[in-house]
Amino acid sequence: GAGVSQSPSNKVTEKGKDVELRCDPISGHTALYWYRQSLGQGLEFLIYFQGNSAPDKSGLPSDRFSAERTGGSVSTLTIQRTQQEDSAVYLCASSRGLAGGPVVFGPGTRLTVL
Amino acid sequence: DQQVKQNSPSLSVQEGRISILNCDYTNSMFDYFLWYKKYPAEGPTFLISISSIKDKNEDGRFTVFLNKSAKHLSLHIVPSQPGDSAVYFCAAGRLGQNFVFGPGTRLSVLP
Repeated sequence: GAGVSQSPSNKVTEKGKDVELRCDPISGHTALYWYRQSLGQGLEFLIYFQGNSAPDKSGLPSDRFSAERTGGSVSTLTIQRTQQEDSAVYLCASSRGLAGGPVVFGPGTRLTVL
Repeated sequence: DQQVKQNSPSLSVQEGRISILNCDYTNSMFDYFLWYKKYPAEGPTFLISISSIKDKNEDGRFTVFLNKSAKHLSLHIVPSQPGDSAVYFCAAGRLGQNFVFGPGTRLSVLP
């Protein structure tokens, strides 16, 4: 597609449940990023994939968070045993990585943990 | 430890005047900088970027200035329009690595 797409757009879940958030990056973009934005906060880096290199997981807040990128394209962010503090907008972005160019963001998934 | 700082959480400017949004970074290895605009309930939208080999980049009403020695960049919007009202994020990083975002500055352009 023309842009980065994310699904679902909204997700409401109960505390303790697992959730999966999906990101479809722009075709040909080798770099994929996950960020989140909590209410009133800035963008918090979570994880970064670049080509076939090992992902940079330095931003993941706990071991309940994991992400994978299959075939160098679609990525799934998984949050296990969700907590209320996980409530945020989760943003995926992609870019041409080492080739430069802007990081293009998707519309985000709004996660609410009750 | 914030690597990218935007010390003004908010800014109000009269329509037609200049908006100046500031950003400071601490990592001297950063060589690529971007500005994003974000409206409520939407993802951030890319505005303009600059690499460390330049000190200025213009795109229409938007100009980004980079002062590497001061580790400071700024976004100028001239003339400001009501539709520019949004949260502006500065981001810094190295090509091939992740980008670090600042906390954002909320710009309000008053008609």
